[in-house]
Amino acid sequence: AQTVTQSQPEMSVQEAETVTLSCTYDTSENNYYLFWYKQPPSRQMILVIRQEAYKQQNATENRFSVNFQKAAKSFSLKISDSQLGDTAMYFCAFMKLGGSEKLVFGKGTKLTVNP
Amino acid sequence: EAGVVQSPRYKIIEKKQPVAFWCNPISGHNTLYWYRQNLGQGPELLIRYENEEAVDDSQLPKDRFSAERLKGVDSTLKIQPAELGDSAVYLCASSPLIRVFETQYFGPGTRLLVL
Repeated sequence: AQTVTQSQPEMSVQEAETVTLSCTYDTSENNYYLFWYKQPPSRQMILVIRQEAYKQQNATENRFSVNFQKAAKSFSLKISDSQLGDTAMYFCAFMKLGGSEKLVFGKGTKLTVNP
Repeated sequence: EAGVVQSPRYKIIEKKQPVAFWCNPISGHNTLYWYRQNLGQGPELLIRYENEEAVDDSQLPKDRFSAERLKGVDSTLKIQPAELGDSAVYLCASSPLIRVFETQYFGPGTRLLVL
């Protein structure tokens, strides 16, 4: 079974600065997807960024980028130029390719952006 | 385009009472998911539908939980009878296609409190 570990329960960053959220996962699969989801206090989960394991190039979406280290089974999220609206819970998630399309989530990191 | 709609947003019941949650996925989305999110945890899949067929219900506690997706559109998740440990947020998500790794779009969730 796959597991996802987020070792930072809470983090804070000053507005306009950069922060990196950590995620590691355990799997014996070779083909899979990794995701970062954001859950603001309103509780609607929103996809931030997605990475296909077969792609060596790290995914980027505007101020959000990942550092995907497949051999180390590490998938960190970097948020540049942090904004107050980035305050939320961030969940790292894993999905096996060719499996049940089940997202396996970590426990989340609570990020607070301070003015 | 309207997002995933869930109702009610909040529900407070006494233990041993029944409760039902409703989800309307994004129009045209064939795959529907129900997740449970306990406090301080990431969501965990309860059941996944492809159209009207439940294709993964291995995590659904079938002694008290039931779900249906008649006509392959909206879905209902029921708990009968509810227990104190069922207090959680119940999230519904949908994705456009079947067995294609599309993004899952989440609804705002139903927060259940069992007293």
